[in-house]
Amino acid sequence: EPEVTQTPSHQVTQMGQEVILRCVPISNHLYFYWYRQILGQKVEFLVSFYNNEISEKSEIFDDQFSVERPDGSNFTLKIRSTKLEDSAMYFCASSALGRNQPQHFGDGTRLSIL
Amino acid sequence: AQSVTQPDIHITVSEGASLELRCNYSYGATPYLFWYVQSPGQGLQLLLKYFSGDTLVQGIKGFEAEFKRSQSSFNLRKPSVHWSDAAEYFCAVGASFGGYNKLIFGAGTRLAVHP
Repeated sequence: EPEVTQTPSHQVTQMGQEVILRCVPISNHLYFYWYRQILGQKVEFLVSFYNNEISEKSEIFDDQFSVERPDGSNFTLKIRSTKLEDSAMYFCASSALGRNQPQHFGDGTRLSIL
Repeated sequence: AQSVTQPDIHITVSEGASLELRCNYSYGATPYLFWYVQSPGQGLQLLLKYFSGDTLVQGIKGFEAEFKRSQSSFNLRKPSVHWSDAAEYFCAVGASFGGYNKLIFGAGTRLAVHP
């Protein structure tokens, strides 16, 4: 069964550094998402992406965050200048066209900011 | 505003016992509802979904859920729990915009299974 893959599984970065989290969505999916889960808290929506542009973003997704689909397969989340509070598990998800299509999630990247 | 409440943070059941995990949602329109399961160190796996039609939906691993509009609930059930079901379970509502859903998650229920 096709799946969403995320790399790396764990990223350790110094505060203030840039970090790029990578995702390969399911190949025929058209909608892409990033969510995050701070340890012990609920999963939170960050951003959705369709047709090479952001469809919606949450208040968490400020100017330090950006997303990109640099080629036909990858979907990336960049944090420009990381803060301690960015430490979390970041999940990528994708879905096919249509409101009744469920989102399929990757295994996540654990981001640790030192 | 849309929201999801999972009243039980932790539940412990014995293997073979029945299970019900509660979920209540707040959403103005007809909701799209989901249950996901997260095993330690793993991502979120879709158990089942409700979009419309039959209010009792069947999912993977022997799980089912019932949508009750009058109670704004979408409780997850399993008649006989296995030790491998120990995990965290998340209920989510899809806030629909155009052709996609932004998922709003509950806080999760952590299930422990005693042998």
